[in-house]
Amino acid sequence: DIQMTQSPSTLSASVGDRVTITCRASQSISSWLAWYQQTPGKAPKLLIYKASSLESGVPSRFSGSGSGTEFTLTISSLQPDDFATYYCQHYNNYSSPFGQGTKLEIK
Amino acid sequence: QVQLVQTGAEVKKPGASVKVSCRAYGYTFTSYGISWVRQAPGQGLEWMGWASPYNGKTKHVQKFQGRVTMTTDTSARTAYMELRTLRSDDTAIYYCARDRGAGLVPGCIDVWGQGTTVIVSS
Repeated sequence: DIQMTQSPSTLSASVGDRVTITCRASQSISSWLAWYQQTPGKAPKLLIYKASSLESGVPSRFSGSGSGTEFTLTISSLQPDDFATYYCQHYNNYSSPFGQGTKLEIK
Repeated sequence: QVQLVQTGAEVKKPGASVKVSCRAYGYTFTSYGISWVRQAPGQGLEWMGWASPYNGKTKHVQKFQGRVTMTTDTSARTAYMELRTLRSDDTAIYYCARDRGAGLVPGCIDVWGQGTTVIVSS
């Protein structure tokens, strides 16, 4: 089975910072990767699909890149609402595993 | 408005079964898949499996083999997830979610239900 590994597990940053989260797949997954944001007590929200396509309604400060086994989610200028936990997920296969999550905290 | 509405919280004893339902509103039910995702307290997201209302196809993670059944009822626009032989480590929020994989394989998830809390305790 394909495993998804995110780094770092926790990231401390300030409003206005540029941050990058990495997701690695245990084997090539082409561009079949999504990114989600989850705030406490809420269901996750889709940010990026097919590695780099921005979901409708998501601010343009979010961007995704990568293909094969290495992917990144970048937030260009952190806003207060962005402090949350982020998950990557591989899909379009018989299994759709999530990464373990990256918690983005206020420094 | 596109939404998924799930049944309310459940408290079960170890060894019992739970069946969570998920009613879809505001979109063509057979044009999307339904994924099931759970989240244990303080933990990350765990994809459990997927069902296609279009053709009835299902997939689930091997760890749930023999314990889980995922079904859809197109006339009722409802998906169901039954988990049997419950253990304390099955305590979690269970989400149904609309995904863009209609027929062959799961797609990315674009709409989530509100979640159903299942507590397994003696």
